Amino acid sequence: DGGITQSPKYLFRKEGQNVTLSCEQNLNHDAMYWYRQDPGQGLRLIYYSQIVNDFQKGDIAEGYSVSREKKESFPLTVTSAQKNPTAFYLCASSIVRGRASAARSTDTQYFGPGTRLTVL
Amino acid sequence: EDKVVQSPLSLVVHEGDTVTLNCSYEVTNFRSLLWYKQEKKAPTFLFMLTSSGIEKKSGRLSSILDKKELFSILNITATQTGDSAVYLCAVWNNNAGNMLTFGGGTRLMVKP
Repeated sequence: DGGITQSPKYLFRKEGQNVTLSCEQNLNHDAMYWYRQDPGQGLRLIYYSQIVNDFQKGDIAEGYSVSREKKESFPLTVTSAQKNPTAFYLCASSIVRGRASAARSTDTQYFGPGTRLTVL
Repeated sequence: EDKVVQSPLSLVVHEGDTVTLNCSYEVTNFRSLLWYKQEKKAPTFLFMLTSSGIEKKSGRLSSILDKKELFSILNITATQTGDSAVYLCAVWNNNAGNMLTFGGGTRLMVKP
């Protein structure tokens, strides 16, 4: 099955601990994204990556880190520096514009099922 | 700074009603606007709009874009309880960043 997977589905963390959320895709997409969603709010971009070994900060990158060593994987680490990490985290991927034949393919982001992180 | 604003924040209707959800945006170098439906987990894609005045339709859902007034609407006719969800609007700008800016969403509840 093609798609995006995230693990774990639920994660509990004690204050002061770092945790890493996994995101894997087998869609052969170049670009991958991490979003945070708080109750009743829209998605806010944490980090994104358009190519292997390169990534850019989004709107709320403080307290988070990422790596992109492989095209299919984009793990997110929530560090102890993130003051309010309890949230729903969504990973997404898309084709990078200019490498697809149809506009729809370039602009549609496909989302994983999400990880709900709770800090105890 | 790019901005996407959705209204209303939430809406409660009864089955069979028609609803209109609004999305206005301020984006430098607009490329396209997307609508997503989010139930419990991942948003699922509904529509992508790039041109003004051309309605996109899928069953009871339809959407249209006005690039002059910088807004889009999502219509749902003959609503069903399965339409209950958060509807998200997002806009791509055409700058090199390749980022999508999301609105805060509209929470729709359809009562039997």
